[in-house]
Amino acid sequence: NAGVMQNPRHLVRRRGQEARLRCSPMKGHSHVYWYRQLPEEGLKFMVYLQKENIIDESGMPKERFSAEFPKEGPSILRIQQVVRGDSAAYFCASSPLVAVSPDTQYFGPGTRLTVL
Amino acid sequence: TQLLEQSPQFLSIQEGENLTVYCNSSSVFSSLQWYRQEPGEGPVLLVTVVTGGEVKKLKRLTFQFGDARKDSSLHITAAQTGDTGLYLCAGSQGAQKLVFGQGTRLTINP
Repeated sequence: NAGVMQNPRHLVRRRGQEARLRCSPMKGHSHVYWYRQLPEEGLKFMVYLQKENIIDESGMPKERFSAEFPKEGPSILRIQQVVRGDSAAYFCASSPLVAVSPDTQYFGPGTRLTVL
Repeated sequence: TQLLEQSPQFLSIQEGENLTVYCNSSSVFSSLQWYRQEPGEGPVLLVTVVTGGEVKKLKRLTFQFGDARKDSSLHITAAQTGDTGLYLCAGSQGAQKLVFGQGTRLTINP
């Protein structure tokens, strides 16, 4: 899964600041997913994107969170006006075309966000 | 509500012993995946099972998908200290998003 790249690996923000997390999928993968992992918990789905389209954002908090996957460049998860409860590990995953290998997702190393 | 329940949550055994980790649900999944996660890293895919009753082997690890596609198990034979880690099961219901269990933290003592 080294092919999925995320940066930064660690991000520290003060309450009220903005956090931008970036994800580059594996080569040839056109589907990107974002998950959040709170301490001592499993991963929770946030959003599923294809190039220039949000397919499923049912796991995204209604406010302050947004995601995009532009035609060129990495996928971005943006958190505005961060609060302490946003502190977590955020993982990006990618998968190839659904017809080739449904459901299998490969994860990046994650971004650990700490809100002071 | 936890859609996927993993048990046990914590397991500590001696090197050389066998163990089984369970992943249970009341829901049907189109596929189920097992991941291993090291501290500070992302989950690494171990296996994907798709067919009810399917059994897959990966060296000393044996994965089974229940006949009804509601549950799965991971069996490790002759555990080694290198098997220590967090094991996660994740199910898909065809909507592309994965539902994860809370994980089993496995410690193999020398």
